[in-house]
Amino acid sequence: AQSVTQPDIHITVSEGASLELRCNYSYGATPYLFWYVQSPGQGLQLLLKYFSGDTLVQGIKGFEAEFKRSQSSFNLRKPSVHWSDAAEYFCAVGESGTYKYIFGTGTRLKVLA
Amino acid sequence: DAGITQSPRHKVTETGTPVTLRCHQTENHRYMYWYRQDPGHGLRLIHYSYGVKDTDKGEVSDGYSVSRSKTEDFLLTLESATSSQTSVYFCAMGNTGELFFGEGSRLTVL
Repeated sequence: AQSVTQPDIHITVSEGASLELRCNYSYGATPYLFWYVQSPGQGLQLLLKYFSGDTLVQGIKGFEAEFKRSQSSFNLRKPSVHWSDAAEYFCAVGESGTYKYIFGTGTRLKVLA
Repeated sequence: DAGITQSPRHKVTETGTPVTLRCHQTENHRYMYWYRQDPGHGLRLIHYSYGVKDTDKGEVSDGYSVSRSKTEDFLLTLESATSSQTSVYFCAMGNTGELFFGEGSRLTVL
């Protein structure tokens, strides 16, 4: 069965600084990988997804993520964080064929002005 | 605007009572999901459906049942609610790939 680990519960960065959120997954085959963002009191919005092909994926709001099979990782990055990026970020892995999606425990991002 | 709605959005109930949460979509998506969100646990999959009358268990299915008699509706039932089921419940829909989430239903079991 697939699983997802987000090792950082909280991360604080200054506005304008770069950001990297870590995600490690466990899945036997090539996974479908996702990053979602949740603003306070809101539902979840897709930032980006990886199914196959180019391992560097571009998403919305200036985010990107890189799939590294050898490290079973799919880390989310942004070169310059904005105050509006403060939110909770979830990594998810999908099982091809069944489309069963498992989420990590989330990383809460705080942005300092 | 995403074509998925949940009802009720808020509910307070007592231990031992049955509760049904409804998820309704207007996008004709094949797959529908119920998750619960709790601090420190992220989103955990309760049940999901891959078609009308086709459902399967997720990570935390004990104490929950689901039904999908029509493409557009996916019901989550707590047969006898317990305090441990106090949570925010999210419904989601998708075909392949991206999931689209509802706004959540906050359930409090006293």
